[in-house]
Amino acid sequence: DIQMTQSPSTLSASVGDRVTITCRASQSISSWLAWYQQKPGKAPKLLIYKASSLESGVPSRFSGSGSGTEFTLTISSLQPDDFATYYCQQYKSYPWTFGQGTKVEIK
Amino acid sequence: QVQLQESGPGLVKPSGTLSLTCAVSGGSISSSNLWIWVRQPPGRGLEWIGEIYHSGSTNYNPSLKSRVTISVDKSKNQFSLKLSSVTAADTAVYYCARDRLGYSYGRGYFDSWGQGTLVTVSS
Repeated sequence: DIQMTQSPSTLSASVGDRVTITCRASQSISSWLAWYQQKPGKAPKLLIYKASSLESGVPSRFSGSGSGTEFTLTISSLQPDDFATYYCQQYKSYPWTFGQGTKVEIK
Repeated sequence: QVQLQESGPGLVKPSGTLSLTCAVSGGSISSSNLWIWVRQPPGRGLEWIGEIYHSGSTNYNPSLKSRVTISVDKSKNQFSLKLSSVTAADTAVYYCARDRLGYSYGRGYFDSWGQGTLVTVSS
């Protein structure tokens, strides 16, 4: 299985901050990476697919980059609605696997 | 806009079989999508369980393959999950979801999700 490792596990930030989350794959996954946002008690929500393609309806302050084994999710200016847990997911090869999550907390 | 809704028992006894159904509305299960099950143990991360196409073709996570069956009922526009020989480790919120691209190149990410249902394995 391809292992996905996110860092940091927890991130404390303030409204307006630029936030970057890193996801590393145990082997190359080209650009077959998605990012999801999950709030407590809710289902994950797709933000980014194919490493950098923004899902329809997702604010443009979210962006994704990277290829191969290293990827980043950036929130350009953190908003109150963005405090949540973020997961990366690879879909290069079965079984699809997720990172362990990064919780973005209020500083 | 497709909507998905999980249903099923919230409590299953150890060694029993977990059975859940996902009802699809706002779209046809016979469309060119793949239909997905994902689970999340309390306070932990996400695990892909498996997927099914309306033809009945399936893919399962090897870690669960011996215990998992996913099926589709086109007449009811729903698909189902069965997980046998459950233990406390199978306690989780179970989500159904949709892979927008179906069997197309670049598939594997999930654009629509159900709200999730908590299944507890306990005697």
